[in-house]
Amino acid sequence: GAGVSQSPSNKVTEKGKDVELRCDPISGHTALYWYRQSLGQGLEFLIYFQGNSAPDKSGLPSDRFSAERTGGSVSTLTIQRTQQEDSAVYLCASSIRGLAKNIQYFGAGTRLSVL
Amino acid sequence: QQQVKQSPQSLIVQKGGISIINCAYENTAFDYFPWYQQFPGKGPALLIAIRPDVSEKKEGRFTISFNKSAKQFSLHIMDSQPGDSATYFCAASLLGATNKLIFGTGTLLAVQP
Repeated sequence: GAGVSQSPSNKVTEKGKDVELRCDPISGHTALYWYRQSLGQGLEFLIYFQGNSAPDKSGLPSDRFSAERTGGSVSTLTIQRTQQEDSAVYLCASSIRGLAKNIQYFGAGTRLSVL
Repeated sequence: QQQVKQSPQSLIVQKGGISIINCAYENTAFDYFPWYQQFPGKGPALLIAIRPDVSEKKEGRFTISFNKSAKQFSLHIMDSQPGDSATYFCAASLLGATNKLIFGTGTLLAVQP
């Protein structure tokens, strides 16, 4: 079926506002990841969901960042009180757990600009 | 311990030439090393990957060379084509509970016709 879908593709917000970014993983994929890609930088791991297990939140940069995954499918990344340094491309990936290859399939990302 | 260092930052190669991108890591517990290719406006896509029990893996024009003792691995693109122009990321992960990828900073490759 379709690949990983992210929305919106672009988001411009004012400093201090809250934003929500959405990710629809590939159907049947139980693992879901969020990464952040800043200009000129590699991808930075943010959070990982696997089925009904507790998420790995070790990459979230501050308590302004949170994410949830409802029904084991769609995920929302929320950034509260956005700051200019939050400007980046936020990428979502999904994979089938249990495969040794660990292929992560990425969406096209949401480009967030904080003015 | 978690860092993956990638070089060069950018690379210009003539069509038909060989593109070489290098990565180094510190954490000896890493056991999976993928390379991702990213075109502008798109998400990264897996290109080729290797486990540390082999020293080389080849898929078409793309080859990973892996040196476990030196904790280094590299991507070689043979007969480089303009369509290969993209950003390439090396990565590493622990195949365990999280499988999160630790990425290098990326190499912007431009293949000139």
